[in-house]
Amino acid sequence: AQSVAQPEDQVNVAEGNPLTVKCTYSVSGNPYLFWYVQYPNRGLQFLLKYITGDNLVKGSYGFEAEFNKSQTSFHLKKPSALVSDSALYFCAVRDVNSGYSTLTFGKGTMLLVSP
Amino acid sequence: DGGITQSPKYLFRKEGQNVTLSCEQNLNHDAMYWYRQDPGQGLRLIYYSQIVNDFQKGDIAEGYSVSREKKESFPLTVTSAQKNPTAFYLCASSIDSGAKNSPLHFGNGTRLTVT
Repeated sequence: AQSVAQPEDQVNVAEGNPLTVKCTYSVSGNPYLFWYVQYPNRGLQFLLKYITGDNLVKGSYGFEAEFNKSQTSFHLKKPSALVSDSALYFCAVRDVNSGYSTLTFGKGTMLLVSP
Repeated sequence: DGGITQSPKYLFRKEGQNVTLSCEQNLNHDAMYWYRQDPGQGLRLIYYSQIVNDFQKGDIAEGYSVSREKKESFPLTVTSAQKNPTAFYLCASSIDSGAKNSPLHFGNGTRLTVT
């Protein structure tokens, strides 16, 4: 079985400050990990993914995420937040070693960036 | 410009009526998915299809039906048997369901309200 936890329903940060949105996962084998962003009344947009290799993954709009196998985490980060980053963020996981698996999503974290 | 088109954006129905949500993609993707999004619950998988004329139940398939007669199209019918049909419905696709590291591409969703 595979699962994802996003422990924070909401993260508040001031514009210009660094931001972190947390994600932990559980899979029986190795994970493929993804981050998506959703703006109001829109679909999800892909931000970045971890497949293998470098633990620090860079993605769209200046976002990056750090894969930590020992802590089973994949936190999303950005050095300097923008008001326009305010949105709903989803972490997702897929088990590399399963015969077939669809993506499992976390419940989402609302990021609010204040001016 | 390739993408996924969901229509209509907003849909209103009376209780007891079946309703069909449209999803069309011109990305030449093999796999297509339907998710339901409710506040605070993240995305839950309803049905998915890995190839034309084949589809599988997801985690919450009861009260829903799908068809995959064409590669480009994956319509979802919400039947009167679905107890709580009011939700935001998202359609997605990926290049190949077997390529586990390929991200999903999402449509902009249909918001269904049943009264």
